[in-house]
Amino acid sequence: QLQLQESGPGLVKPSETLSLTCTVSGGSMSTTSYYWGWIRQPPGKGLEWIGNIYYSGSTYYNPSLKSRVTMSVDTSKNQFSLKLSSVTAADTAVYYCARRGVTTSKLDYWGQGSLVTVSS
Amino acid sequence: QSALTQPPSASGSPGQSVTISCTGTSSDIGGSDFVSWYQHHPGKAPKLMIYEITRRPSGVPDRFSGSKSGNTASLTVSGLQAEDEADYYCSSDAGSNNLVFGGGTKLTVL
Repeated sequence: QLQLQESGPGLVKPSETLSLTCTVSGGSMSTTSYYWGWIRQPPGKGLEWIGNIYYSGSTYYNPSLKSRVTMSVDTSKNQFSLKLSSVTAADTAVYYCARRGVTTSKLDYWGQGSLVTVSS
Repeated sequence: QSALTQPPSASGSPGQSVTISCTGTSSDIGGSDFVSWYQHHPGKAPKLMIYEITRRPSGVPDRFSGSKSGNTASLTVSGLQAEDEADYYCSSDAGSNNLVFGGGTKLTVL
């Protein structure tokens, strides 16, 4: 059974960079059938797609966040990462990693989520 | 890209049916076969309930069904059960690998 687990600091200061890692277990990331993505949910709000990365390193970002987002992948560790720069309180959210089908676009496996609070 | 529009709440009694709508544009729902629905119990990971407008993943009860007409997709839950009470989100491809979500609908089982 595929499992995804987010990890990273739960508290980030304003203007700094948020960094999260998603570790995939129970299967290989090196597949042509899936992207690996990040989604977030601010408190009391809906889901927002941040972007996704292919095992080869190709990235696709939400246009509204593109200037601040960087994603990377390490297939040797079966991990992919998110960096969001110049954070503000508006970036406070639960951040989820998920697997996204290349041809179906379905998000079929999700991590449990990691709450990141932006505060001084 | 703008979020898809969902009603903030929906409700029904056990055994009844309820339909949740998700309205977008011709750039997302109207032009895409890749509309999905997710069930989200607070504090847990979202769960895929419907993909490609009408398809159900293995293990999802057939009480859950999806459809689309024009720029609006719908999720119908038949034979409501207490455990169906959750937040439901739609999503759609929006071109160029973009993905857009709806604002979410809180389903209450009365």
